Amino acid sequence: SQQGEEDPQALSIQEGENATMNCSYKTSINNLQWYRQNSGRGLVHLILIRSNEREKHSGRLRVTLDTSKKSSSLLITASRAADTASYFCATEGGSYIPTFGRGTSLIVHP
Amino acid sequence: DAGITQSPRHKVTETGTPVTLRCHQTENHRYMYWYRQDPGHGLRLIHYSYGVKDTDKGEVSDGYSVSRSKTEDFLLTLESATSSQTSVYFCAISEPGTGEDNEKLFFGSGTQLSVL
Repeated sequence: SQQGEEDPQALSIQEGENATMNCSYKTSINNLQWYRQNSGRGLVHLILIRSNEREKHSGRLRVTLDTSKKSSSLLITASRAADTASYFCATEGGSYIPTFGRGTSLIVHP
Repeated sequence: DAGITQSPRHKVTETGTPVTLRCHQTENHRYMYWYRQDPGHGLRLIHYSYGVKDTDKGEVSDGYSVSRSKTEDFLLTLESATSSQTSVYFCAISEPGTGEDNEKLFFGSGTQLSVL
């Protein structure tokens, strides 16, 4: 069964707007990762946040982690049409075996 | 795709036939994984390997076997394919550690398998 669950399942926004996706998980983790998947392609790693970190930035991406609520959020600022993709969170509990959620489908309209 | 090659990219087969998918890496990463991706289910782990000849089952391992005789190759075999195994199969690799690039997965381009 999936450890992480993304919310919402689908998100549709206009170019220039911010996109926020959330991930909730059930058991303690070592780290949480976010991946992007363009249609018909493999997943690409975006950012990793460890359990002792609360926030991390990479370019237009901002990830937060709240271990007390067992949740994480991915914020994409100033979205572009090229950000259209599916986004997955993956949790890892110390075994080096990431468990993926079902993903959020993001559509950014030009 | 970070030195990961999956073959074949597409395969159509009949129910009951054996199928082997291959994943080849040039990164010398210790961990290798096979996931399947289905609509509504996201990615689910089939099997993984943490070294040569060291493998273990994932969440959906029934009907699948794996082998890793060399660091660079990880084979996934469907002994007798069924229609429920129609899916997109992804291979991934990672290297444990605490560095910035450690523990993240690098994915291949996937194999689209159709079992008729």
